[in-house]
Amino acid sequence: DTGVSQNPRHKITKRGQNVTFRCDPISEHNRLYWYRQTLGQGPEFLTYFQNEAQLEKSRLLSDRFSAERPKGSFSTLEIQRTEQGDSAMYLCASSSIQGAGYGYTFGSGTRLTVV
Amino acid sequence: KNQVEQSPQSLIILEGKNCTLQCNYTVSPFSNLRWYKQDTGRGPVSLTIMTFSENTKSNGRYTATLDADTKQSSLHITASQLSDSASYICVGGGRTGFQKLVFGTGTRLLVSP
Repeated sequence: DTGVSQNPRHKITKRGQNVTFRCDPISEHNRLYWYRQTLGQGPEFLTYFQNEAQLEKSRLLSDRFSAERPKGSFSTLEIQRTEQGDSAMYLCASSSIQGAGYGYTFGSGTRLTVV
Repeated sequence: KNQVEQSPQSLIILEGKNCTLQCNYTVSPFSNLRWYKQDTGRGPVSLTIMTFSENTKSNGRYTATLDADTKQSSLHITASQLSDSASYICVGGGRTGFQKLVFGTGTRLLVSP
């Protein structure tokens, strides 16, 4: 297992287009999180899955954003009708229930640029 | 409001020198305090995790301290190396149903030769 994998690493898109990112968590981790990080800021929580269930969503996750984890393994984050304000690093992390979920592991992120 | 504040915002030190980064947190209910290292364009990597009952935790040349009474933490880096140049993020973990983390904005460290 090589840790949390995110694809693509970089995405440049035109305003108004839809984009989809993928996250493959550590295989034995049943919790998966999405965060967004803008330049000079710390990551901000977007949403969280336990297995395939999406248990919490931030107010940052507008109607244009949707996340899925269909089989409790990989997850996708889709942004519809992208806006320039969506430009950010999108980080995925995973953890397990064991150890009180302390073993949070982040992927390398997908950097989105909306032009 | 849950928040984490870090200082300084940025720091430049000479290779081989020590430095200490500071963190003040307001996270309730509080469970744990973490320090992450984030290289430019990469995801954060965990350095230390301390529960509210721990005072100190070391990871190689990194030593973190926690004072749960004053809600302060520090990260001390010993004998800095060029590869230590990165952002260091202090993170508060809440005692909720899942490990929702509250991130600081980070201290950007540059180690100069």
